[in-house]
This record gives sequence, C-alpha cells and structure tokens, in this order.
Amino acid sequence: DGGITQSPKYLFRKEGQNVTLSCEQNLNHDAMYWYRQDPGQGLRLIYYSQIVNDFQKGDIAEGYSVSREKKESFPLTVTSAQKNPTAFYLCASSIFGPSSGNTIYFGEGSWLTVV
Amino acid sequence: EDQVTQSPEALRLQEGESSSLNCSYTVSGLRGLFWYRQDPGKGPEFLFTLYSAGEEKEKERLKATLTKKESFLHITAPKPEDSATYLCAVLQFQKTSYDKVIFGPGTSLSVIP
Repeated sequence: DGGITQSPKYLFRKEGQNVTLSCEQNLNHDAMYWYRQDPGQGLRLIYYSQIVNDFQKGDIAEGYSVSREKKESFPLTVTSAQKNPTAFYLCASSIFGPSSGNTIYFGEGSWLTVV
Repeated sequence: EDQVTQSPEALRLQEGESSSLNCSYTVSGLRGLFWYRQDPGKGPEFLFTLYSAGEEKEKERLKATLTKKESFLHITAPKPEDSATYLCAVLQFQKTSYDKVIFGPGTSLSVIP
C-alpha cells in the first residue's frame, strides 16, 4: 500500500540526547514536511523539502535538523538544543510543493517524550 | 497577524443531530482552504480542498463551504464514528517563497449514541 511510514511510534529521550525520527514515503512525492502538534495549537511547520538535497526552515526550526538524501526519506533529528521537545511529530508529503495547492498527506505520527 | 481560528473548540452532539463547525481566517492572499479529520493519536486524514468563495464539496455526511472570510463544515445526521478532531488549514500566497499552509487549532467533535 502507498503511504507515509513514521517510526518509532513512541520514543522517550533523556535530556541532553539527540534523537532521530524516521519518515519514509512510497507515494513518489517530491515535497516532504515535518510538523509539530501540541495540545490546543495548530500544526506548526518545522522543516520542508521540495526536492532531494534541498530543504527550508519552517516557523519553528530551532533545535531541529533534517536531511533529504533520497526522494523517499526525510528524517528529523531533535537535538539537545530543543528546549521543549515533548510533542506529537507528523511527517507529511505532497506531489509538488504547496504553491501548487497540492494536498498534503500525513503519516501516523510519532510521540516524543523527554524523561 | 495572519491567523486561522476554529469554533467551537469542542462540540458534543447526539447521534442524528446536525450541526456546523466554523473556520475563520484573517489571511491575505488566500489560495485555498483544506479540511482534515484527525483521530486520537493518528495523523490527519484529508477531507476537502476549497479554492474560491461560493465553492462547496460533499463527502458522505460532510459538506464544506467557503466564503471570503470563513469556511463551514456541515455535518448532517452524524454517527458516533464521526467523532474526531476536525482541522482546517489555509494556503497563503507568499511573494518571495513557496506558499504557506497555516493550520487552525481544530474542533473536537463527539457524537453520542
């Protein structure tokens, strides 16, 4: 089945550690995104990538890093510099970038908790 | 400030009791508006895209409409399986970069049997 796969579903991090969330899509979409969701707030964009080897900061990129070495993969690293990392993280993709009005499709999400 | 708000924050309906959810936006350069459904602990599921005022889209018991300042998601004769959080998002034209998607905080809908 085509779709977006995020792993792990649940992740616990000790303070001071970096963690990486995986995102793989087999939809042959060019654009990929990472969003953060906190209770009572809208989804906020962390990073997005229109094509391989290119990515742009979103509204809340501080403390996060990404790479886009392959079209189907867009991993997110939450670094120790991120002061409040506990949240629900959503990976998404679209055929082209948002300028085309493309539908953005989401993965199932990953819960990150700092302990 | 560009903003997307949704009301009510939470809504409880009896099964079969029709109602509407509201999405208001103060965003210049609107290029489109999306509606998503999100179940607890899951990623959002796409429902509709609306591009211009007066446009309507329907899917089963859901009907989305768009005006110049807001969108409504009408739910006709809801069933318990319609319980979820409904998100709207606005696609905003950007002069010097890619269009921006701004999400609202969502409306949590509970349909009681």
